[in-house]
Amino acid sequence: KAGVTQTPRYLIKTRGQQVTLSCSPISGHRSVSWYQQTPGQGLQFLFEYFSETQRNKGNFPGRFSGRQFSNSRSEMNVSTLELGDSALYLCASSLALAGAETQYFGPGTRLLVL
Amino acid sequence: AQSVTQLGSHVSVSEGALVLLRCNYSSSVPPYLFWYVQYPNQGLQLLLKYTSAATLVKGINGFEAEFKKSETSFHLTKPSAHMSDAAEYFCAVSVVEAAGNKLTFGGGTRVLVKP
Repeated sequence: KAGVTQTPRYLIKTRGQQVTLSCSPISGHRSVSWYQQTPGQGLQFLFEYFSETQRNKGNFPGRFSGRQFSNSRSEMNVSTLELGDSALYLCASSLALAGAETQYFGPGTRLLVL
Repeated sequence: AQSVTQLGSHVSVSEGALVLLRCNYSSSVPPYLFWYVQYPNQGLQLLLKYTSAATLVKGINGFEAEFKKSETSFHLTKPSAHMSDAAEYFCAVSVVEAAGNKLTFGGGTRVLVKP
């Protein structure tokens, strides 16, 4: 069974631009969560989607948004990029809502904002 | 709200020695606890998880962790370190909340294995 895939793997953007990251979960998984990883703040939860609905959201500004499609694929969008948005963005999928369910992580998208 | 504290951001062990990574959590309700490992330029891989079935949990690559409710701890151990264990390890807690569920991670512990 294929794992979680994320595209693109690397991105370079400039301040003020917007970016869209994509995540394809493991087949059959209906929950997709997004995390931001930086050296300073560590791993921080962004949001979780389940059956095309956002179920939980972390403490990030409204510039960070996401959506989930009927095939469970998810996209994350960051508008008006800032230097501090440079990070590794990780997507994770699970069969059902996270909790006891194991979340399986993709390799991440590394975003550099110049 | 839940939180996770990992004691020691860096740990150095000799090959063949015991690996002990400490994790303490804070949660007002019974938590689900996880240990993940991250190799350079990769995502996170699950080592093991605790979901109340047994307090001693065995995971992959010879790792195990013991849930101690009285100490609010979930320390990770491996009897004999291997060079391939050099990586960063993250402890995480998940709590079922009305607002939804999420993983809260500790700051991570980077393990260096000396030959």
